[in-house]
Amino acid sequence: GENVEQHPSTLSVQEGDSAVIKCTYSDSASNYFPWYKQELGKRPQLIIDIRSNVGEKKDQRIAVTLNKTAKHFSLHITETQPEDSAVYFCAARGDKIIFGKGTRLHILP
Amino acid sequence: GAVVSQHPSWVICKSGTSVKIECRSLDFQATTMFWYRQFPKQSLMLMATSNEGSKATYEQGVEKDKFLINHASLTLSTLTVTSAHPEDSSFYICSASSPRSNQETQYFGPGTRLLVL
Repeated sequence: GENVEQHPSTLSVQEGDSAVIKCTYSDSASNYFPWYKQELGKRPQLIIDIRSNVGEKKDQRIAVTLNKTAKHFSLHITETQPEDSAVYFCAARGDKIIFGKGTRLHILP
Repeated sequence: GAVVSQHPSWVICKSGTSVKIECRSLDFQATTMFWYRQFPKQSLMLMATSNEGSKATYEQGVEKDKFLINHASLTLSTLTVTSAHPEDSSFYICSASSPRSNQETQYFGPGTRLLVL
């Protein structure tokens, strides 16, 4: 079946440094790629998304890049802050949305 | 905008009882709602897609007689876990697509934590 791979599963970054999370997808019909942030015990919150007709999108410290040919997309967080600590999920939507397994991001003081 | 609520937020029940979870879109009409299950430190597993006025579409491996889904109105979908057993204990989250976001973006409810004793 269709699949979304997400790496790494855990990421520790010094406060102020950048964090990068990568995802690959298998369904070539996927055309929408959201990223969600989930804090402990809370609901996933959409932080940024990108559609297949765009290669890059930025929103303040967060950016997402998409390479449709290679079927991978990445989340970039710059100038990381303690409140960025959470689990991040990528997803790809073709006929249906499929989530990656998540990346637990730790921002070290 | 695009607020989704869920009730109850947590429930503890005895094995064999049925539990109903409600998912509501508060400020928009959601023709499609989704039900997910999430185990500790794991990803979101789509259980079913709920369409208003029609039968839900269940993912492979999800028992439709075990997890009854009803989407009777544009703002309410319910998930009933029938004859719950300890292995059904999990975090159940619903989401809804907002027509303001081209029906693609999903907004999640706060989740319901179910513990079956």
